[in-house]
Amino acid sequence: GAGVSQSPSNKVTEKGKDVELRCDPISGHTALYWYRQSLGQGLEFLIYFQGNSAPDKSGLPSDRFSAERTGGSVSTLTIQRTQQEDSAVYLCAGTNREGIGELFFGEGSRLTVL
Amino acid sequence: AQSVTQLGSHVSVSEGALVLLRCNYSSSVPPYLFWYVQYPNQGLQLLLKYTSAATLVKGINGFEAEFKKSETSFHLTKPSAHMSDAAEYFCAVSDGSSASKIIFGSGTRLSIRP
Repeated sequence: GAGVSQSPSNKVTEKGKDVELRCDPISGHTALYWYRQSLGQGLEFLIYFQGNSAPDKSGLPSDRFSAERTGGSVSTLTIQRTQQEDSAVYLCAGTNREGIGELFFGEGSRLTVL
Repeated sequence: AQSVTQLGSHVSVSEGALVLLRCNYSSSVPPYLFWYVQYPNQGLQLLLKYTSAATLVKGINGFEAEFKKSETSFHLTKPSAHMSDAAEYFCAVSDGSSASKIIFGSGTRLSIRP
């Protein structure tokens, strides 16, 4: 499709396991963001990929979180040794107008850590 | 660094009444400001944006917002609420540069009473 695709849509895992969340943005969107949405917490910025520049990782909550973007397209967010507080909806968004443009969001990956 | 504060995590109005959702921002440079809406079980979508042109910005579905530098505010209004306006609304800010991440507020859930 033409929209932002995220997978899996739902993931249930046990505490201590690693998880990978995938985002496939709209073709041509050079900027890609990851956010975390928890109940009552709004959208928490995690990481920002802008073209070929070094990503802004200032929002990653701990060194258990990492993300990469291969070939300027697909991005993967990895959470190692998951904890219950990692349970949230992880949203990916892209834009072709960094900083001022409309963000196009995926429907998110809901992570539940038991 | 930019930030936004949304006053009121939940606002309830009667159908036909004025909708006012508050957003205050903090920015060391002239900001770019956004309102996004998340309808139940849907992804976020852009409602309107301020990018240093007209201070009164009109968006979709009859919503508008006014940038007031002296008050560091960007409140969202709609003259007459409709049942279909029930959703979560997020204010966001960036500094407009291509390197700028977009920071979101904690959100305001709008309920409409019949």
